[in-house]
Amino acid sequence: KQEVTQIPAALSVPEGENLVLNCSFTDSAIYNLQWFRQDPGKGLTSLLLIQSSQREQTSGRLNASLDKSSGRSTLYIAASQPGDSATYLCAVATGNQFYFGTGTSLTVIP
Amino acid sequence: DTGVSQDPRHKITKRGQNVTFRCDPISEHNRLYWYRQTLGQGPEFLTYFQNEAQLEKSRLLSDRFSAERPRGSVSTLTIQRTQQEDSAVYLCASSLTLVSEQFFGPGTRLTVL
Repeated sequence: KQEVTQIPAALSVPEGENLVLNCSFTDSAIYNLQWFRQDPGKGLTSLLLIQSSQREQTSGRLNASLDKSSGRSTLYIAASQPGDSATYLCAVATGNQFYFGTGTSLTVIP
Repeated sequence: DTGVSQDPRHKITKRGQNVTFRCDPISEHNRLYWYRQTLGQGPEFLTYFQNEAQLEKSRLLSDRFSAERPRGSVSTLTIQRTQQEDSAVYLCASSLTLVSEQFFGPGTRLTVL
């Protein structure tokens, strides 16, 4: 069974810092990996989708990379803002299912 | 298209009662997923549909849970004889294909007293 781990579980940074969130998975036979953000009491908002054949995807201040062979993905957030405060989740598509990590809770301090 | 919608947003019920949740996916999406999320955890897969066919169910899913999608669009998730451990947020998502982006609804928060 696919296991997805996210480190750190929580992160607090001052506004303006660049930061990296990590996601690792045990089974490299994935179709894709998707990063989401979740605000308290809300559903998930899709940030980036990386197909298994891709190495990275970029959207605005966000850059996600994928190293399938080592079972790792990173989400890079540039010039963090208080509005980036949320829980960030990664999910991998394996077989017919998506497997989620437990998330990284990010707080950006003004 | 306004995205994936779910209702109700909140449901409080007493132990032993049956509850049903509804999910209305993005119209052209033929894949629909149900997940359950508890506090501090990522969403846990429950089941998924390709059009009207339910193709996979989690082995963790109790037989008190049933889902259907009779016309390949709106889906319902029913929990019979609810128990306190069923308290969670139930999330619905849809996508065009397996390798496409998943879009989530706002979820239904279930509290079983």
